[in-house]
Amino acid sequence: AQSVAQPEDQVNVAEGNPLTVKCTYSVSGNPYLFWYVQYPNRGLQVLLKYITGDNLVKGSYGFEAEFNKSQTSFHLKKPSALVSDSALYFCAVRDSSGGSYIPTFGRGTSLIVHP
Amino acid sequence: NAGVTQTPKFRVLKTGQSMTLLCAQDMNHEYMYWYRQDPGMGLRLIHYSVGEGTTAKGEVPDGYNVSRLKKKQNFLLGLESAAPSQTSVYFCASSPMNLYPGQNYGYTFGSGTRLTVV
Repeated sequence: AQSVAQPEDQVNVAEGNPLTVKCTYSVSGNPYLFWYVQYPNRGLQVLLKYITGDNLVKGSYGFEAEFNKSQTSFHLKKPSALVSDSALYFCAVRDSSGGSYIPTFGRGTSLIVHP
Repeated sequence: NAGVTQTPKFRVLKTGQSMTLLCAQDMNHEYMYWYRQDPGMGLRLIHYSVGEGTTAKGEVPDGYNVSRLKKKQNFLLGLESAAPSQTSVYFCASSPMNLYPGQNYGYTFGSGTRLTVV
């Protein structure tokens, strides 16, 4: 079975400071990993994804995430937060080697960037 | 390229009424999904489809039915007898069978349907 944990319901950060939103996962085989962002009253948009290759993945709006296989983590980071980054962030995982193509989503982390 | 389109965007139902939510995608994706989003619960999978004419239950299927029409790109979610517990935001998503690093998309979501059952 696959699972995703986002240990923080909410992350608060001041504008201009670096931000980190945490995600850990569990799969039987190799993972496909995703970060999605949801702005108020909108659908989910993909920020970045890890399929294979470089462990450091760069995505939209200056976000990046590092795939760490030994720690089974895929934390989302940004060097300098903007107020406009305030949104709900979801981490998702799918086992690349299993028969299921269904992703599992975390519960979401609300990011609040203060001016 | 519209991606995933959901209709309607908003709906208010009375308890016991029925309705159908429509999802359409124009990316020729094999897989389609219906999720519901509730505060503090994240996204929960209701039903999904791995191809035309095939559907399967997800995590919270009770009270819902789905159909994948002959047109490969449509996926319908039906509420047979609406209950207040089904008040939620419903999202449809689609994905290709295989994922590759160079793809511009993985799982693509619609903009959601906000359903209130009174």
